Amino acid sequence: GQQVMQIPQYQHVQEGEDFTTYCNSSTTLSNIQWYKQRPGGHPVFLIQLVKSGEVKKQKRLTFQFGEAKKNSSLHITATQTTDVGTYFCAGRDSGAGSYQLTFGKGTKLSVIP
Amino acid sequence: EAQVTQNPRYLITVTGKKLTVTCSQNMNHEYMSWYRQDPGLGLRQIYYSMNVEVTDKGDVPEGYKVSRKEKRNFPLILESPSPNQTSLYFCASSLSRLHTEAFFGQGTRLTVV
Repeated sequence: GQQVMQIPQYQHVQEGEDFTTYCNSSTTLSNIQWYKQRPGGHPVFLIQLVKSGEVKKQKRLTFQFGEAKKNSSLHITATQTTDVGTYFCAGRDSGAGSYQLTFGKGTKLSVIP
Repeated sequence: EAQVTQNPRYLITVTGKKLTVTCSQNMNHEYMSWYRQDPGLGLRQIYYSMNVEVTDKGDVPEGYKVSRKEKRNFPLILESPSPNQTSLYFCASSLSRLHTEAFFGQGTRLTVV
């Protein structure tokens, strides 16, 4: 079945440093979504990417979808303590009849003030 | 307010005692799903439903049942819980099976002793 791998599993950064998490799928994706889960909370949707090579920005967050639609990345510029949490990517296989959304294992971000 | 409501939030039970975790959404969403979250394993899909009376297995369906008799409700049933089902469970809904933004419930922390 489809597998979505995410690295790194953990990342500790000093406040103000940049942070990047990477997501790779074993199959071509129809779209990819990113979620953030604060400690003790539930996943919250950040963004969805659909087009090959797509890049979207949300303030200090930049999301990219690879040309082959098999990988994606989330980059945070100048991290702040409010960025703490676990970031998940989630993708749906592009195959016909595939309706399952598969999550990566997440990257847990710690920001040291 | 648009939301996904899960109950209970916390539950401690004994092995073999049937239990149901309820999930309800007020957004008229077609697609609903259940995930379990375990340390180091991320979010794994248990079951999903594309509409009323349409359900399908996710990645880890063993030991669970679901039903979708009404559009708004998607209960998760553990007929005979075992300790390996101790986990944090999330219900989620999205507008359609094409995976628009998923809204997550607050989570249910289940302990089976």
